[in-house]
Amino acid sequence: GENVEQHPSTLSVQEGDSAVIKCTYSDSASNYFPWYKQELGKGPQLIIDIRSNVGEKKDQRIAVTLNKTAKHFSLHITETQPEDSAVYFCAASKYAGKSTFGDGTTLTVKP
Amino acid sequence: DADVTQTPRNRITKTGKRIMLECSQTKGHDRMYWYRQDPGLGLRLIYYSFDVKDINKGEISDGYSVSRQAQAKFSLSLESAIPNQTALYFCATSGTGATDTQYFGPGTRLTVL
Repeated sequence: GENVEQHPSTLSVQEGDSAVIKCTYSDSASNYFPWYKQELGKGPQLIIDIRSNVGEKKDQRIAVTLNKTAKHFSLHITETQPEDSAVYFCAASKYAGKSTFGDGTTLTVKP
Repeated sequence: DADVTQTPRNRITKTGKRIMLECSQTKGHDRMYWYRQDPGLGLRLIYYSFDVKDINKGEISDGYSVSRQAQAKFSLSLESAIPNQTALYFCATSGTGATDTQYFGPGTRLTVL
């Protein structure tokens, strides 16, 4: 089955700096890669996703890049703010209902 | 009102007890899922249902069962709870497209003593 590895497990940055979280996947048939943000006491919420036919996608301060050859994808957050502090999960799937999640990255943005 | 609700939000029970976690959604989605979250282990799929008559096991279904009572309701049962089932449980829903977003409920924190 699919295996998703996520790094780092914890990340601390200064407000205004950039943050990068990286994930690798094992199944070359995976074609959908969402990123979720989980705030304390809440369920994960989708923040951005990318499909396998696209190499990069951007939404304001958040961007995701995908390298299908190397089977890795990354989340980039620029100009970080304290409200970006949360746990971030990557996931990979080849069809709905079978998403495999990474173990999560706890991001702390220091004011 | 929240689109995906879970009850109870917190539950403490004893080893050997039967417990049911309930999930309801108002998004009109056909697909519903149950995940378990343990510290440092991300989210692992327990069961998923693509419609009322379709139930599928996920990667960690042992010790769990589910019931899809209606399009909007999906329940998770622990027939005989054990301490290593202590975890945070999430219900999620999605549409029928291959890349449809999953919408998660607020979670149920279950403690088995």
